[in-house]
Amino acid sequence: EAGVAQSPRYKIIEKRQSVAFWCNPISGHATLYWYQQILGQGPKLLIQFQNNGVVDDSQLPKDRFSAERLKGVDSTLKIQPAKLEDSAVYLCASSFSPDRGANTGELFFGEGSRLTVL
Amino acid sequence: AQSVTQLGSHVSVSEGALVLLRCNYSSSVPPYLFWYVQYPNQGLQLLLKYTTGATLVKGINGFEAEFKKSETSFHLTKPSAHMSDAAEYFCAVSGVNTGFQKLVFGTGTRLLVSP
Repeated sequence: EAGVAQSPRYKIIEKRQSVAFWCNPISGHATLYWYQQILGQGPKLLIQFQNNGVVDDSQLPKDRFSAERLKGVDSTLKIQPAKLEDSAVYLCASSFSPDRGANTGELFFGEGSRLTVL
Repeated sequence: AQSVTQLGSHVSVSEGALVLLRCNYSSSVPPYLFWYVQYPNQGLQLLLKYTTGATLVKGINGFEAEFKKSETSFHLTKPSAHMSDAAEYFCAVSGVNTGFQKLVFGTGTRLLVSP
């Protein structure tokens, strides 16, 4: 079974530029997450999708970050314009439907996209 | 609100020694608790999880953790460390009634294993 695919693995940009990250979840996984992992910190949830609808985007800086999951499969996370503090690893994860009893919280993570903002 | 605290950003052990990584949680609802491992330049992988039932849970690679409600703890242990265990370990919590897939992660503990 193929895992969660992310690209690009590494990206270096200058502040005020834009960047986009792509994620393809495990086939059949209805729920998709984007996490931000800053060096030395634990992953922080940015946005959660259930199929193509947003479940939680309360911690997404909406003035500069946007995400979409058209057709309920793959997803794109965009940052525009980037700031120095956006330097981090952006992790995509997926899981089965959140219906209780179907699963109990196991998320499957991709390898991440490391962003460096200069 | 839920949170976890991992004591010690770095833990060093010798190969063959006991591994103990500490995690304390705070949750207003019955928690689900998880340990994830992250190897360099890789994503996170589930080691083990506690949901309901037996409080001692066993995971992959010989790790286990015990849910202690009275101590609000979920410490991760392994009797004998291997070099391949060197990685970063994250404790995470979610709530039964508050979206049990909305994981809140701790800051992580880096495990260093020396020969």
